[in-house]
Amino acid sequence: SAVISQKPSRDICQRGTSLTIQCQVDSQVTMMFWYRQQPGQSLTLIATANQGSEATYESGFVIDKFPISRPNLTFSTLTVSNMSPEDSSIYLCSVDPVRTNSEQFFGPGTRLTVL
Amino acid sequence: DAKTTQPNSMESNEEEPVHLPCNHSTISGTDYIHWYRQLPSQGPEYVIHGLTSNVNNRMASLAIAEDRKSSTLILHRATLRDAAVYYCILRDSGGSNYKLTFGKGTLLTVNP
Repeated sequence: SAVISQKPSRDICQRGTSLTIQCQVDSQVTMMFWYRQQPGQSLTLIATANQGSEATYESGFVIDKFPISRPNLTFSTLTVSNMSPEDSSIYLCSVDPVRTNSEQFFGPGTRLTVL
Repeated sequence: DAKTTQPNSMESNEEEPVHLPCNHSTISGTDYIHWYRQLPSQGPEYVIHGLTSNVNNRMASLAIAEDRKSSTLILHRATLRDAAVYYCILRDSGGSNYKLTFGKGTLLTVNP
């Protein structure tokens, strides 16, 4: 299993600013994922972040808007850059610790409101 | 990832069984059927998964049709804490892509 914490849990930001969200795991994992959940919607994968390589972004998401760092096997950050009200969402990280067709573990999410 | 179809919402009474259906008519031979749920204001949590045979764990049972084109998540005795959005997801075991693709899921309401 894996226990995931995220910081901050929530934030209210001004348009045009950037916010960095941290994801900390209590064990070493190779695969980490970042998701976005817009209000009333399901989860959408932003990118896959593997340690030692560049993040792989899904269609519709770009590195300039959502830069990701993965400095080690227990930590990752997602930055939401040049924010607009449309970026108001819950951002979640998840990990796949076993790299088999088993379960993923999700963090509690970061609730972002952009004014 | 292959697509799944679930009802938008379902209702149940407390302490009664709940059967949550999922259709996945385009499932491939290497797709596992995964179920996650998301309680209010929380991240998703794993419920159960299976390939061909029915599966049981402490949370639920998963019944898989013989042709694998549909499955049913069974909560044997619903409690108020089971009120959540339930997601049925197909996950390919054949490659190195471990990502989950979430659909809209089924919002389960449990009445006291």
